[in-house]
Amino acid sequence: AQKITQTQPGMFVQEKEAVTLDCTYDTSDQSYGLFWYKQPSSGEMIFLIYQGSYDEQNATEGRYSLNFQKARKSANLVISASQLGDSAMYFCAMREGYNNAGNMLTFGGGTRLMVKP
Amino acid sequence: EAGVAQSPRYKIIEKRQSVAFWCNPISGHATLYWYQQILGQGPKLLIQFQNNGVVDDSQLPKDRFSAERLKGVDSTLKIQPAKLEDSAVYLCASSLRGTMNTEAFFGQGTRLTVV
Repeated sequence: AQKITQTQPGMFVQEKEAVTLDCTYDTSDQSYGLFWYKQPSSGEMIFLIYQGSYDEQNATEGRYSLNFQKARKSANLVISASQLGDSAMYFCAMREGYNNAGNMLTFGGGTRLMVKP
Repeated sequence: EAGVAQSPRYKIIEKRQSVAFWCNPISGHATLYWYQQILGQGPKLLIQFQNNGVVDDSQLPKDRFSAERLKGVDSTLKIQPAKLEDSAVYLCASSLRGTMNTEAFFGQGTRLTVV
């Protein structure tokens, strides 16, 4: 079964508008961490934001915020004031906290975001 | 701080040939990962090391893929023999620890084309 599901293969957004990228996850653990990464066409993976399962506040990092709904097992990324440079693939990832020796970091299938001028 | 270094950046080989990729993680990072990313898909974890021990290699095709992490620092990933479906970008990443809240830092990747 998929641990991380990103249901939007591609999204368009107008420059300067906000956009939400969806991510749902599947885990039976109480302790886990959720991450979002950006992958531009150049290929490198860039860490954007982190949300812990016990964090009561939604994480924010500049123009990025994470809409964390624990009961629904969703961790949507919100990008405010989109810029042309935001055009990239976006991946949601999760670490489950079941193993102190090193918890695996697993990724979803990604969403391609295209920002229109 | 130097990032994760990978080499080579690109490699083209014929099927049934062998190939090796090298990764140097960020200094002091205990956890090292190898991912396979097929075009248009998310990264798939092949193997995860904690220092020089293997944490998980359940998705590593062990009949043809092997990986080692010498002295808990550098790592090599080998494919022998390569198949057409191995064409992908191979990403190496490292993190300070493998704990829940630790982000991973990625290298530029090695793009492998098997013809």
